[in-house]
Amino acid sequence: GQNIDQPTEMTATEGAIVQINCTYQTSGFNGLFWYQQHAGEAPTFLSYNVLDGLEEKGRFSSFLSRSKGYSYLLLKELQMKDSASYLCAVASNSGYALNFGKGTSLLVTP
Amino acid sequence: DAMVIQNPRYQVTQFGKPVTLSCSQTLNHNVMYWYQQKSSQAPKLLFHYYDKDFNNEADTPDNFQSRRPNTSFCFLDIRSPGLGDAAMYLCATSSGRLEQYFGPGTRLTVT
Repeated sequence: GQNIDQPTEMTATEGAIVQINCTYQTSGFNGLFWYQQHAGEAPTFLSYNVLDGLEEKGRFSSFLSRSKGYSYLLLKELQMKDSASYLCAVASNSGYALNFGKGTSLLVTP
Repeated sequence: DAMVIQNPRYQVTQFGKPVTLSCSQTLNHNVMYWYQQKSSQAPKLLFHYYDKDFNNEADTPDNFQSRRPNTSFCFLDIRSPGLGDAAMYLCATSSGRLEQYFGPGTRLTVT
């Protein structure tokens, strides 16, 4: 089975840096995805990690440690529009299913 | 520019009345997915198609069916909607196991 945990809610200040953690226990692993989802909208792809280390993409970075079953999404220079839910999703090594965590609701305050 | 299109965006149906949700894509992706997402919960995969090969998740109720007549279109049929089926239904596509692109979703209300 799959178990994916992330904090339910986080609050951060505009201009600051925030780190959203995700831990997972899966029967197989074929990569970890981060998605952003604004209220009432579809998830949009942010990042993909399949090897250990840090992937940087503009203000967003994502880190993976496969041995620890751990990932984080780092958001720098926070903007008000970054207020959204951030979903961690793990791909198993068979099939195409993505198993999503429940998401972390991030609130950016002025 | 829309890449994954879902119609309608909002659907109201009556308890027990069959309903069909549609999804189309302009990406020519070979994999299409249907997810159910309830309020404040993670998207839950119902099934997916790899080309014409249908793959049902083990815990997807029989009440949910799907059709993919061609590469571009995929339908979700709910044969007898119950109150518990009210949710956002998300269609997604991917090229193999690469990132999934989601449509805007259809919010289903069951009265």
